[in-house]
Amino acid sequence: VQLVESGGGLVQPGKSLKLSCSASGFTFSSYGMHWIRQAPGKGLDWVAYISSSSGTVYADAVKGRFTISRDNAKNTLYLQLNSLKSEDTAIYYCARRRWEYWGQGVMVTVSS
Amino acid sequence: DVVLTQTPPTLSATIGQSVSISCRSSQSLLHSNGNTYLNWLLQRPGQPPQLLIYLVSRLESGVPNRFSGSGSGTDFTLKISGVEAEDLGVYYCVQSTHADTFGAGTKLELK
Repeated sequence: VQLVESGGGLVQPGKSLKLSCSASGFTFSSYGMHWIRQAPGKGLDWVAYISSSSGTVYADAVKGRFTISRDNAKNTLYLQLNSLKSEDTAIYYCARRRWEYWGQGVMVTVSS
Repeated sequence: DVVLTQTPPTLSATIGQSVSISCRSSQSLLHSNGNTYLNWLLQRPGQPPQLLIYLVSRLESGVPNRFSGSGSGTDFTLKISGVEAEDLGVYYCVQSTHADTFGAGTKLELK
């Protein structure tokens, strides 16, 4: 099993970014997936979850600004980040439903 | 939202010492299906977290059996029976019974 995040970088406040998580080694369409973030030097912060049937749940801090989605044909999980704020600066991880597999993470820095 | 309170925030141990970490929930984590979705993770420096314990007390495959979990309802404990150097890092509890939330973490360091 492998999860590889991409799409991070430096972005200005108020702008948008789309993260990807490419999955391999398992039947991606059968599993729910999480996005989690970790601000520099801080703890883990759950962001969003998408079920195998594409039902979604969001943390209050990102509801209305972030959108989680998936493309089962491409074995890829996405996180669309809109209206970014400085407090969204973090490493963003994807993880499988039961927390048993994690990606290495991708850094998002929101700064002018 | 469910709040998970971990104690202590920092734990100093010697190699071979047994230690425990507490995770208390603001709501019962017993799901209507009878499962309690409380897991424990370890994050070593510079690494993503790894799953140690799921469903309160089930040891994840490949995890040494010096790790054990217990508890029910709102009170849960992770025990390490004989700390080894590779166990150093930050331990998190995470619940998935309600919208997922993490505890603030417990840093295990060498005394």
